[in-house]
Amino acid sequence: EADIYQTPRYLVIGTGKKITLECSQTMGHDKMYWYQQDPGMELHLIHYSYGVNSTEKGDLSSESTVSRIRTEHFPLTLESARPSHTSQYLCASSEYRRTGELFFGEGSRLTVL
Amino acid sequence: AQSVTQPDIHITVSEGASLELRCNYSYGATPYLFWYVQSPGQGLQLLLKYFSGDTLVQGIKGFEAEFKRSQSSFNLRKPSVHWSDAAEYFCAVGARGSQGNLIFGKGTKLSVKP
Repeated sequence: EADIYQTPRYLVIGTGKKITLECSQTMGHDKMYWYQQDPGMELHLIHYSYGVNSTEKGDLSSESTVSRIRTEHFPLTLESARPSHTSQYLCASSEYRRTGELFFGEGSRLTVL
Repeated sequence: AQSVTQPDIHITVSEGASLELRCNYSYGATPYLFWYVQSPGQGLQLLLKYFSGDTLVQGIKGFEAEFKRSQSSFNLRKPSVHWSDAAEYFCAVGARGSQGNLIFGKGTKLSVKP
């Protein structure tokens, strides 16, 4: 059983608010990822990290930002939420050498009104 | 550019029937290939993976997949579907050396009739 946790699971918020989606893993994995998932669409990688103090932008441009101050923690922040940010956000982690073998959290479903 | 195509958006099968979910990829070299499953309200779980060697790979929950280089395909199969297999299935491709940055297909939703 994978140990990767996301909070909140569901969030409904008004336009212009700042939000942070939390992601924590207890497996000691170096790599962590944020994917955006919309119904009927591919999962799109928006951010990833190789380890502490490492953050990279993914294939899909996103107005969100991430930080990696601790190995186990990889939060995603939106400074000013807009309705276009409504989506499901999935956090994942993997061992550095195990390419593609990702462990996913249950997701955070964000709705911006 | 790398891409993954899952031609079937939604498939319905009867419980006990066999299943095949299709996946085609576009990539310039031999990629790493994966199938993930997502149950409602859950994250994705790795079913199986192909890196090299035997082109028929076994996964969890009785699933298997076959890599066919000539067809650029990596179809997922199960001989007898159970009601608990109802979920969404995602095929993914990763480049060697990409350090795990996968490209996912749009998914195939599987419904199981009693």
